[in-house]
Amino acid sequence: DTAVSQTPKYLVTQMGNDKSIKCEQNLGHDTMYWYKQDSKKFLKIMFSYNNKELIINETVPNRFSPKSPDKAHLNLHINSLELGDSAVYFCASSQDTRRGGKAFFGQGTRLTVV
Amino acid sequence: GIQVEQSPPDLILQEGANSTLRCNFSDSVNNLQWFHQNPWGQLINLFYIPSGTKQNGRLSATTVATERYSLLYISSSQTTDSGVYFCAVEGMSYGQNFVFGPGTRLSVLP
Repeated sequence: DTAVSQTPKYLVTQMGNDKSIKCEQNLGHDTMYWYKQDSKKFLKIMFSYNNKELIINETVPNRFSPKSPDKAHLNLHINSLELGDSAVYFCASSQDTRRGGKAFFGQGTRLTVV
Repeated sequence: GIQVEQSPPDLILQEGANSTLRCNFSDSVNNLQWFHQNPWGQLINLFYIPSGTKQNGRLSATTVATERYSLLYISSSQTTDSGVYFCAVEGMSYGQNFVFGPGTRLSVLP
């Protein structure tokens, strides 16, 4: 069983479109995250959800919105896609990291905006 | 927010060599983890190590929290060790998230 799974793995879309990336974890973790990895491999946190509540919302454009129907899922919805949104997006989950929770990552979604 | 630096940025080794990767962070941390991103992009958690020393096979890690650095040791390197190694930390202030360092890109040559 895959612990953290994302779909789709690849996403190619045109500028201006709206798209969603889904993430599910079967580890029973309380916290889920979305990270963006740019072309230089730098990983930047976008959002984190703890028990279905947004606990930190980094300064990302409001075109990006996380949606969590339950604590096992954290989907990422992107409106009006721009060329600069092209990147690899990773979902992750952990138990409370302040108590030693290791973070586990999905396989990533490579988004290409054309 | 907390700042994380890693060195060296790039490292090329011959198979069988040993190496040390360093992570410096700017503030006290609750959590520090090392990750390996393989050439296929998968991020694998290597260690949870906010302090002390741990070993797992050919890999070991040491964190000296009072001096705000962590080291990852790779012994007898193999080509499958190639990829990018990230250090990620979480500061002690409530609401701080995992912050990743810029990574060390390791290439192990046969």
